[in-house]
Amino acid sequence: EPEVTQTPSHQVTQMGQEVILRCVPISNHLYFYWYRQILGQKVEFLVSFYNNEISEKSEIFDDQFSVERPDGSNFTLKIRSTKLEDSAMYFCASKRQGSSYNEQFFGPGTRLTVL
Amino acid sequence: AQSVTQPDIHITVSEGASLELRCNYSYGATPYLFWYVQSPGQGLQLLLKYFSGDTLVQGIKGFEAEFKRSQSSFNLRKPSVHWSDAAEYFCAVGGNNNDMRFGAGTRLTVKP
Repeated sequence: EPEVTQTPSHQVTQMGQEVILRCVPISNHLYFYWYRQILGQKVEFLVSFYNNEISEKSEIFDDQFSVERPDGSNFTLKIRSTKLEDSAMYFCASKRQGSSYNEQFFGPGTRLTVL
Repeated sequence: AQSVTQPDIHITVSEGASLELRCNYSYGATPYLFWYVQSPGQGLQLLLKYFSGDTLVQGIKGFEAEFKRSQSSFNLRKPSVHWSDAAEYFCAVGGNNNDMRFGAGTRLTVKP
């Protein structure tokens, strides 16, 4: 069964460093999403991406964040200069184009620790 | 704007007892509703979803949920809880092509 994959599973970085979180969505999906879950808190929407552009973003998704689909398979989230409060679990999700159902398939997440 | 409320932060039930986790949503149109389960340090696993049709939906692991439009609720139920059900449960709402909004979660503890 196809699934969304994410790498790395755990990333440790120093404050101020740039990190790139990678996701490989399900191959025939064309809508992509990033969510964040700070430890012990709820899952929060960051950004949605379709047709090579951001379709919606939350207030969390400020200028420090960017997303990219560098090739036909990867979908990345970049944090330019990490802050302590960026420590969280980051989930990627994807959805089929044309689906009348908003069923997003989630990856296993990347745990980001900023020291 | 769409939102989800899970009134119970933490619930403890005895193994074998029945379970109901509450979820209330706010959404302007017909919502798509979901329940996810998350074990510690793990990702999100979809338990069940409601899009249309029968308001009582069956999911994996013996879970079910009932959509009640009049109460804006989508409560999750299980007739007999197993120790392995201990986890965090998230209710979520979404509309077509939109992002999903998650509730704050309910942590389930199962007593032996």
